[in-house]
Amino acid sequence: AQKITQTQPGMFVQEKEAVTLDCTYDTSDPSYGLFWYKQPSSGEMIFLIYQGSYDQQNATEGRYSLNFQKARKSANLVISASQLGDSAMYFCAMRPLDRGSTLGRLYFGRGTQLTVWP
Amino acid sequence: DSGVTQTPKHLITATGQRVTLRCSPRSGDLSVYWYQQSLDQGLQFLIQYYNGEERAKGNILERFSAQQFPDLHSELNLSSLELGDSALYFCASSALGGRDYGYTFGSGTRLTVV
Repeated sequence: AQKITQTQPGMFVQEKEAVTLDCTYDTSDPSYGLFWYKQPSSGEMIFLIYQGSYDQQNATEGRYSLNFQKARKSANLVISASQLGDSAMYFCAMRPLDRGSTLGRLYFGRGTQLTVWP
Repeated sequence: DSGVTQTPKHLITATGQRVTLRCSPRSGDLSVYWYQQSLDQGLQFLIQYYNGEERAKGNILERFSAQQFPDLHSELNLSSLELGDSALYFCASSALGGRDYGYTFGSGTRLTVV
């Protein structure tokens, strides 16, 4: 069974500071992908960053980076230089890459509500 | 515009009624997924279609059904609606088989059952 755990229901950060959103996962699949999505109050799901379990380096996308520690099964999202527009719900998700009929579906955590204050 | 189109954006209906949610995937994507997002359950996977065929089923109630048509658009049918079915329903599409592909989500249909 797959499980994604986000232990921080809410986080607060001051504008221009960095913030880390935690994510741990549990899977027996040898190959998987890890994703972070942002959901602003308007409701849409916005893809932020992807990390493959086979990747040797941590993924980065602009101000977003993923701190991937495979042995600890953690995939924390780091947002540098926070902006007011970063205030949103953030979801960690995982997708097994080699499993038959479930190939493709995402398993989501419960999310972390990030608030950026001026 | 993400490329995935969901209609309608908002839907208000009464208990016991039936509604149909529609999703057009991003051009070229063969796989469509439906998710339900509610405050108490979080994001729940409902069902996945690939090129017209059901590929995986999650926590989908028997009152709910879905299909994917030859033009690849998909519909989610919800019947005998209950208050607890009020939620944000997302459709997503992906190119199945691409290791680095994530989903592209639609903007969702917010269903309110009164």
